[in-house]
Amino acid sequence: GESVGLHLPTLSVQEGDNSIINCAYSNSASDYFIWYKQESGKGPQFIIDIRSNMDKRQGQRVTVLLNKTVKHLSLQIAATQPGDSAVYFCAENIMGNTPLVFGKGTRLSVIA
Amino acid sequence: ETGVTQTPRHLVMGMTNKKSLKCEQHLGHNAMYWYKQSAKKPLELMFVYNFKEQTENNSVPSRFSPECPNSSHLFLHLHTLQPEDSALYLCASSQDNMRNTEAFFGQGTRLTVV
Repeated sequence: GESVGLHLPTLSVQEGDNSIINCAYSNSASDYFIWYKQESGKGPQFIIDIRSNMDKRQGQRVTVLLNKTVKHLSLQIAATQPGDSAVYFCAENIMGNTPLVFGKGTRLSVIA
Repeated sequence: ETGVTQTPRHLVMGMTNKKSLKCEQHLGHNAMYWYKQSAKKPLELMFVYNFKEQTENNSVPSRFSPECPNSSHLFLHLHTLQPEDSALYLCASSQDNMRNTEAFFGQGTRLTVV
């Protein structure tokens, strides 16, 4: 399921370190954001979401930060594991408008 | 297991063939989507169905024809495709397309047009 051939930004991280994946979104009217993880041969899988009335949300080992001023979203993964190796997509949408719009993705490679 | 099942997982077809991709969701959702993921572009939205009605066609060529007989099933009928249509076709569903909720994806159908 990976975007083979598409030039994706790649982040290489040592196992056990923290990872930070960034996303610049396009529409200042977007009010809902999601991070998806896509492993090889699989469809995108939901990780965490955040609404525009928040600037931070935490899950299990993951944190999403939203900076509406500069239209920036980040995903932080604590204690990165080999199983975290995948392509990560941010997605945005506007309440009552079109479905999710996806970014190009970032490939996370975990070095054991 | 996301609750969205796509068949087949892999499909090879000639340019003159007619085939169909199937998607089924067991989540009670009312909105279903087809996305295309190719080697050259990120995830592209193709079609949106909300309560069985098509609400969006994202300038998709007519050789792709969607069908949504009920809220749980979505098909993508393919005919006279081109090699550049080779891609991973992903189906997704969500509660409906008017709310800010996540979309659940199937595993995709890897299509190769020869």
